[in-house]
Amino acid sequence: DAKTTQPTSMDCAEGRAANLPCNHSTISGNEYVYWYRQIHSQGPQYIIHGLKNNETNEMASLIITEDRKSSTLILPHATLRDTAVYYCIVRHRRMDSSYKLIFGSGTRLLVRP
Amino acid sequence: NAGVTQTPKFQVLKTGQSMTLQCAQDMNHEYMSWYRQDPGMGLRLIHYSVGAGITDQGEVPNGYNVSRSTTEDFPLRLLSAAPSQTSVYFCASSYGSSGGATDTQYFGPGTRLTVL
Repeated sequence: DAKTTQPTSMDCAEGRAANLPCNHSTISGNEYVYWYRQIHSQGPQYIIHGLKNNETNEMASLIITEDRKSSTLILPHATLRDTAVYYCIVRHRRMDSSYKLIFGSGTRLLVRP
Repeated sequence: NAGVTQTPKFQVLKTGQSMTLQCAQDMNHEYMSWYRQDPGMGLRLIHYSVGAGITDQGEVPNGYNVSRSTTEDFPLRLLSAAPSQTSVYFCASSYGSSGGATDTQYFGPGTRLTVL
């Protein structure tokens, strides 16, 4: 199963872009990269996911390198409410086609006023 | 839609007691799962279900039982509570498990369990 590596913590100034990196060097061809975040012990919240191409939605952008061994989550204009733990997850596929999410320790993002 | 609901929000047990954590979703999702989160840690998968009548073990299943008699409900049973089971428990659901790219999981608010 592919594992992910993220920095333990990061910070950025309010209004600036937050760029959160993730390494997943052992990812296989049919595994997706998912990003979730968890705000102050609430249930995790889905942000975005991708396979090969870069993706953008109303919350964030996801940049995946061409070799798919790493990705970056971009919050274009971080606000104080974006302070959270961000999880980069490679979605694993089991033989019975069921899927599970394996959470690592994540990156604790602090947005400073 | 209420989404994913969990009860109770807080629970204190004594060692050896049993209890059931309730989880329900009203989105007609096939896939449901239970995670536990210890302080300062990520989530670990306990059990999951790909549909009514079908369950399977996750990473840390020992000490827990599950059943899935309906699409909506996925209760988690602690058979004989131990202090090591003190944790926050999250239930999650997603539309499918058939390989689609949009199997986004929706999480409940969590149950905070303390075992003395």
